[in-house]
Amino acid sequence: EAGVTQSPRYAVLQEGQAVSFWCDPISGHDTLYWYQQPRDQGPQLLVYFRDEAVIDNSQLPSDRFSAVRPKGTNSTLKIQSAKQGDTATYLCASSPRTGGSQNTLYFGAGTRLSVL
Amino acid sequence: GDQVKQSPSALSLQEGTNSALRCNFSIATTTVQWFLQNPRGSLMNLFYLVPGTKENGRLKSTFNSKESYSTLHIRDAQLEDSGTYFCAAEDTGGADRLTFGKGTQLIIQP
Repeated sequence: EAGVTQSPRYAVLQEGQAVSFWCDPISGHDTLYWYQQPRDQGPQLLVYFRDEAVIDNSQLPSDRFSAVRPKGTNSTLKIQSAKQGDTATYLCASSPRTGGSQNTLYFGAGTRLSVL
Repeated sequence: GDQVKQSPSALSLQEGTNSALRCNFSIATTTVQWFLQNPRGSLMNLFYLVPGTKENGRLKSTFNSKESYSTLHIRDAQLEDSGTYFCAAEDTGGADRLTFGKGTQLIIQP
């Protein structure tokens, strides 16, 4: 079974540039999460979906960040105008919400973003 | 303050020794997950816990919901155990949403 796939692995931007991150979850997982992990911190939830619906985007900076999952499978997270404070690793995770360990999260390798 | 507090923040051990990592929760927690992040950045799920104890090889983890803590015990530490260990809590009010601690950085010395 393929794991969670993310691309690109790395991105380097100047302030004000835009960037998109792509995530392909594990097949059959209906819940998909985007986390931001600043250096030397734990992951912090940005947004999550169940199928194509946004369940919680309260931590997503809505003026510059957007996330979609139009067919309930792949997802894209976009930063419209990057700031230096956005420098972090962006992690995608999915979960099956079935069985005994209903909400076990499986993470992708992440995209490491540097904003100069 | 931190809703999920991990201790210690960093730990260095000799190969073959044992250790215990701890998480304290200040939010009402229904389930706990433990992850290991390797030096390349990949996060691997170690345990999904309801109140109680689970064991997997040299790892054992306990979640005590009444006293709001969880522990992860590593027995006979090996070099490949090095990395950052995170615990994450699912709170009663936030279905499917995990709050992570800041991690414990573990270095295993030969």
